Amino acid sequence: DTGVSQDPRHKITKRGQNVTFRCDPISEHNRLYWYRQTLGQGPEFLTYFQNEAQLEKSRLLSDRFSAERPKGSFSTLEIQRTEQGDSAMYLCASSSSWDLGRNQPQHFGDGTRLSIL
Amino acid sequence: RKEVEQDPGPFNVPEGATVAFNCTYSNSASQSFFWYRQDCRKEPKLLMSVYSSGNEDGRFTAQLNRASQYISLLIRDSKLSDSATYLCVVIVNAGKSTFGDGTTLTVKP
Repeated sequence: DTGVSQDPRHKITKRGQNVTFRCDPISEHNRLYWYRQTLGQGPEFLTYFQNEAQLEKSRLLSDRFSAERPKGSFSTLEIQRTEQGDSAMYLCASSSSWDLGRNQPQHFGDGTRLSIL
Repeated sequence: RKEVEQDPGPFNVPEGATVAFNCTYSNSASQSFFWYRQDCRKEPKLLMSVYSSGNEDGRFTAQLNRASQYISLLIRDSKLSDSATYLCVVIVNAGKSTFGDGTTLTVKP
C-alpha cells in the first residue's frame, strides 16, 4: 500500500501525559499537512511542511504542540501535557507540489484517534 | 463568520434524486478548490477538483463562481452509496487549506 500511513490508529492516555504520532506520506509527495478533527466539524489545519521546512503553523496551535519532519520524509506530531480538549482525530495528509498552475489535492491517512482520560 | 461555510444539512433524498450543495468562501485570493467525501469515522477522500470552467466526473459536477465566491457540487441519480459527508476545501496558498464543516447527505431507498 503506497498511501499515507499514520501510527498509532488509536491512543488513550491520561491527562498531563505526552503523546507522539507518526505520519509517513506518499513517497513522492513533498508537502505534508497535519489537521485535527472533532465530531461534526471539518478538519482544522494545524501545520504544513514543504520537504523538511515547516512553512505554516496555525495560530490555534499552542506551544504544547510541536511537529517535525527532519529528513523531509516522515513527520511526527507531539502534544505535551495533554488536556481533555486535545481529544480528537489527528489527520495527516500529503500532496505533490504546485503543478500546471494548481495546488495538487491532498491525500489523507486513516488518522490517529486520541482520547484523553 | 467562518472562512468557508457549508449548509450542514442533513439532506435526505430518495435514490435517483439530484442534489446540490454549495460552499461559500470569504478570501478572494483563494486559488484552488476541491470536494472531498468523508464516511463516518473515516478519513476524507478526494472526490474531485473544482476548475474555473466547471468539471464533470460521471454523476458529479463541480462548479466555481469566483465573482460570488462559492463552489457547488451536483450529484445526479443519487445512489445509496453516496450517503456521506461532503467537505469543500479552499486553498489560498500551498500552506493554507481551509475545510468547511461538511454537508451530510443521506440517500434513502
